[in-house]
Amino acid sequence: DVKVTQSSRYLVKRTGEKVFLECVQDMDHENMFWYRQDPGLGLRLIYFSYDVKMKEKGDIPEGYSVSREKKERFSLILESASTNQTSMYLCASIDSPFAHEQYFGPGTRLTVT
Amino acid sequence: GQQVMQIPQYQHVQEGEDFTTYCNSSTTLSNIQWYKQRPGGHPVFLIQLVKSGEVKKQKRLTFQFGEAKKNSSLHITATQTTDVGTYFCAGPPNTGNQFYFGTGTSLTVIP
Repeated sequence: DVKVTQSSRYLVKRTGEKVFLECVQDMDHENMFWYRQDPGLGLRLIYFSYDVKMKEKGDIPEGYSVSREKKERFSLILESASTNQTSMYLCASIDSPFAHEQYFGPGTRLTVT
Repeated sequence: GQQVMQIPQYQHVQEGEDFTTYCNSSTTLSNIQWYKQRPGGHPVFLIQLVKSGEVKKQKRLTFQFGEAKKNSSLHITATQTTDVGTYFCAGPPNTGNQFYFGTGTSLTVIP
């Protein structure tokens, strides 16, 4: 059974803290994505990676960075968390954007106080 | 930049009524995928359409991909309470590895 896991389901951090969100997939997928989901805005792409050490900005990369040192792991980093980064963060992976479905992790609900 | 809009944003229907959500992209998509997200859950893949004008059915669900590959629709016949959730369209543009999700339509079914 395919699986995408995220390090935490719920996370509470203080403003200014550095936050790491980890995502691991066991399907040997090339492409991995980080989205944030907010009511009425759908899923907005933050960053994606199509290979190890490769990354591309999505629609809303400001305030975030990513790391992909191994194929199965894609990390999202909030360098200095702010209250407007309170959101649901979803990680996904896909073999090829042109042929297959995206598999999502369970999500991390991050609250920045 | 790329935009994928869905309408309506919210829909309340009586159980047994039909439901349709429409998806419109500002650019041509390589394919269109539909996902369902139950309350408290994560998006789960429903179907993918690739060809211009393609129509696919899954029991009470009918999916269409527009001729210009810029729009799509999902129609549910005779809704049931199990259909509750948010429905998203999504897809990659013709070039690049990007992936765009629609804004979603939240369906509430009243028993």
